[in-house]
Amino acid sequence: QVQLQESGPGVVKPSETLSLTCVVSGYSISSGFYWGWIRQAPGEGLEWIGSISHSGTTAYNPSLKSRVTISTDTSKNQFSLKVTSVTAADTAVYYCVREVGGTFDIDYWGQGTLVTVSS
Amino acid sequence: QSVLTQPPSVSAAAGQKVTISCSGSSSNIGSNSVSWYQQLPGAAPKPLIYENNKRPSGIPDRFSGSKSDTSTTLGITGLQTGDEADYYCGTWDNSLSVRVFGGGTKLTVL
Repeated sequence: QVQLQESGPGVVKPSETLSLTCVVSGYSISSGFYWGWIRQAPGEGLEWIGSISHSGTTAYNPSLKSRVTISTDTSKNQFSLKVTSVTAADTAVYYCVREVGGTFDIDYWGQGTLVTVSS
Repeated sequence: QSVLTQPPSVSAAAGQKVTISCSGSSSNIGSNSVSWYQQLPGAAPKPLIYENNKRPSGIPDRFSGSKSDTSTTLGITGLQTGDEADYYCGTWDNSLSVRVFGGGTKLTVL
């Protein structure tokens, strides 16, 4: 059974960098699929942030591209998200997901972690 | 404003059937397969339908998906109070080069 678990600070100060990690169990991230991040602001809908393929190819939401970096650490079977220069608008629940290439489905979601941007 | 359009809310009595629509354009639904996700209160989204009309293991056949041109529909029969949730459609948009979602539809079971 594939499981994804997010971790990282629950509070980040404005203008600083948000950093989250997603540990994957039950599947080797270097074997296939795409590994992505989606966020949901309080009371709002879902927003795709970006993803990285098992071979390291990245794709980012154009609206966030200048501030976002997604990377993998295959030795730890995990992938990470960094968002720079955060503002209150970046306050959201952040989900890590596994994406199926070719069909654009998401077949596994992490439980999500709330990140609040506040001084 | 979301690229994919869903009604904000729908409701129906327990035991009845409800449909949730999701409309898009030729660059998203018209070109790619669509997924549906169920988000129970306080929980992460859960895959409900993939590749337009397929159900993951464990999803009852009360849930169905269909697609026509640039729109897609989620159907739920035999409504139960446990079905009360937010439902999201999603796919890829070839013009925007971004994964897109509908704004979500809140289902109330009366």
